[in-house]
Amino acid sequence: DAGITQSPRYKITETGRQVTLMCHQTWSHSYMFWYRQDLGHGLRLIYYSAAADITDKGEVPDGYVVSRSKTENFPLTLESATRSQTSVYFCASSVPGNTEAFFGQGTRLTVV
Amino acid sequence: AQSVTQLGSHVSVSEGALVLLRCNYSSSVPPYLFWYVQYPNQGLQLLLKYTSAATLVKGINDFEAEFKKSETSFHLTKPSAHMSDAAEYFCAVKEAGRRALTFGSGTRLQVQP
Repeated sequence: DAGITQSPRYKITETGRQVTLMCHQTWSHSYMFWYRQDLGHGLRLIYYSAAADITDKGEVPDGYVVSRSKTENFPLTLESATRSQTSVYFCASSVPGNTEAFFGQGTRLTVV
Repeated sequence: AQSVTQLGSHVSVSEGALVLLRCNYSSSVPPYLFWYVQYPNQGLQLLLKYTSAATLVKGINDFEAEFKKSETSFHLTKPSAHMSDAAEYFCAVKEAGRRALTFGSGTRLQVQP
């Protein structure tokens, strides 16, 4: 099916480990985003990308790295996971203009 | 900088009662406004959006929202709550020229039988 898919859906990792969350979309949307969802904070933007090889920081980028070598993929890497990065991570995509973002199902990450 | 305030982190209504979820934004110019719904363990689904056309916007499942520039508000309403409406609701804003949405902290709607 067309859409935006995230993998894995659930992940438990240890403090200090590197972990990569995957995001793939089949719409050829130029914009892609990573948000984290925490109780009381809603969704906060980590990084976004306007096109392949163009990325920019959002509100809470520290401790995260992104890349976008292909339009359809936008992986998010935690270089050295910390407990404060325990969260639900959402990938989203959109097209330029006054349009909404389309969201994946989310990845629940627990750092122990 | 734009920001979104959702008044009330939890709202409880009886089945059949009016649903009112409040959203206020701060922006130097009227932005684009969105309401999303999130069911447990799922992603966010768009309910409705305001993009400078009609100020009263109708969405899915009988939800609607009214853009009031003078009050910088975009409150979400539904005339009669259904048990299936129990979910978390997020208001979001996007200023013209910006690429990402800014979200409020969310309101959890509980519907009592």
